Amino acid sequence: QVQLVQSGAEEKNPGASVKVSCKASGYSFSTYGFHWVRQAPGQGLEWMGWISAGTGNTKYSQSFQGRLTITRDATTSTTHMELRSLRSEDTAVYYCANTRGTWYGAHLDYWAQGTLVTVSS
Amino acid sequence: DIHMTQSPSSLSASVGDRLTITCRASQTVSIHLNWYQQKPGKAPNLLIYSTSSLQSGVPSRFSGSGSGTDFTLTIDSLQPEDFATYYCQQTYNIPLTFGGGTKVEIK
Repeated sequence: QVQLVQSGAEEKNPGASVKVSCKASGYSFSTYGFHWVRQAPGQGLEWMGWISAGTGNTKYSQSFQGRLTITRDATTSTTHMELRSLRSEDTAVYYCANTRGTWYGAHLDYWAQGTLVTVSS
Repeated sequence: DIHMTQSPSSLSASVGDRLTITCRASQTVSIHLNWYQQKPGKAPNLLIYSTSSLQSGVPSRFSGSGSGTDFTLTIDSLQPEDFATYYCQQTYNIPLTFGGGTKVEIK
């Protein structure tokens, strides 16, 4: 069965970077893409970006102004989300979710358990 | 960016009630509108995709309709496990955006 498993919780100082991983299993990795979505404490969902697992093509929300990079490694069936120059407002649970095909008309079918990233001095 | 507005932001309902949640887009999203359910401490779960298609395994009491800018999620005969927060999402244009959520609580 399809399973997405993320890396563990992180605590970072302001200005640092964080890299969260999401390992996929139970399906052909390259046939899906991945979205990254975050949720600040008590708040709604915010879409961050998408990567095609097959081609590596990406789309990002401009809200992250060049601080965000999403990558994938087909050899380990893993996608990574790196966010740089962290500030307190980046404290959130970060989720990966997969989707068939491209971002257009996508629906986020399976979600990982989420990773809490806390930014505090 | 396409702004998604959900209403109401919260509501109280009883088991057995019929519920309708609306989602309005600031510009057309065609039929590319999804609905998710989220329970506290859990990841969201896809309920409805492409406006009206029921995700596999989701009970048939959930349904969706609409097109263009106005969409609805309907829950027929609310069950105890349906008390949660519901989000709409457009996947028509980058950035993909979510509505602010509708929290359904027990009356």
